[in-house]
Amino acid sequence: DGGITQSPKYLFRKEGQNVTLSCEQNLNHDAMYWYRQDPGQGLRLIYYSQIVNDFQKGDIAEGYSVSREKKESFPLTVTSAQKNPTAFYLCASREQGAGTDTQYFGPGTRLTVL
Amino acid sequence: EDQVTQSPEALRLQEGESSSLNCSYTVSGLRGLFWYRQDPGKGPEFLFTLYSAGEEKEKERLKATLTKKESFLHITAPKPEDSATYLCAVLLSGSARQLTFGSGTQLTVLP
Repeated sequence: DGGITQSPKYLFRKEGQNVTLSCEQNLNHDAMYWYRQDPGQGLRLIYYSQIVNDFQKGDIAEGYSVSREKKESFPLTVTSAQKNPTAFYLCASREQGAGTDTQYFGPGTRLTVL
Repeated sequence: EDQVTQSPEALRLQEGESSSLNCSYTVSGLRGLFWYRQDPGKGPEFLFTLYSAGEEKEKERLKATLTKKESFLHITAPKPEDSATYLCAVLLSGSARQLTFGSGTQLTVLP
């Protein structure tokens, strides 16, 4: 099955801990994205990568870091510098082609700070 | 500043009662407008892309339309399984190609 997988589904973090969220896609898409979703708010862009070994900050990158060593993988690390990390995190990849430019989303990871 | 506003925030319908959700935008250089459906605790599911004013797309009981300032998602004779949050997003011109999302409309269809 082609698609986007995220793991874990639920993640609990203690104060001062770094945690890493996994995102994998087998759709052969070049571009990948990380969004954060809070109740009552729209999705906000954290980081994006348009190609392997390159990534750019989004609107709310502070306290987060990413890497893009492989086309299929775009992990997100939530560092202890992120003051309010409890949220639902969504990874997406982008299909671009003749007449199409669409982002598809993974199932999400819910992060809770204890 | 680029903005996407969805209304209403929440909508309750009886099964079979048709209605519309609104997505208005104030952006420069719109390349596309997207509708997604999101069930609780899940990632958004892609529904439609609209690229130009006057364009319409349909899927089962859903029909999306686009003008120069807003998009409507029309739901005809909804069923309880249509209950979800519907998200609107715009794609702006430029190299970043980022999506800007509205905050969504939570739709509940009562049997």
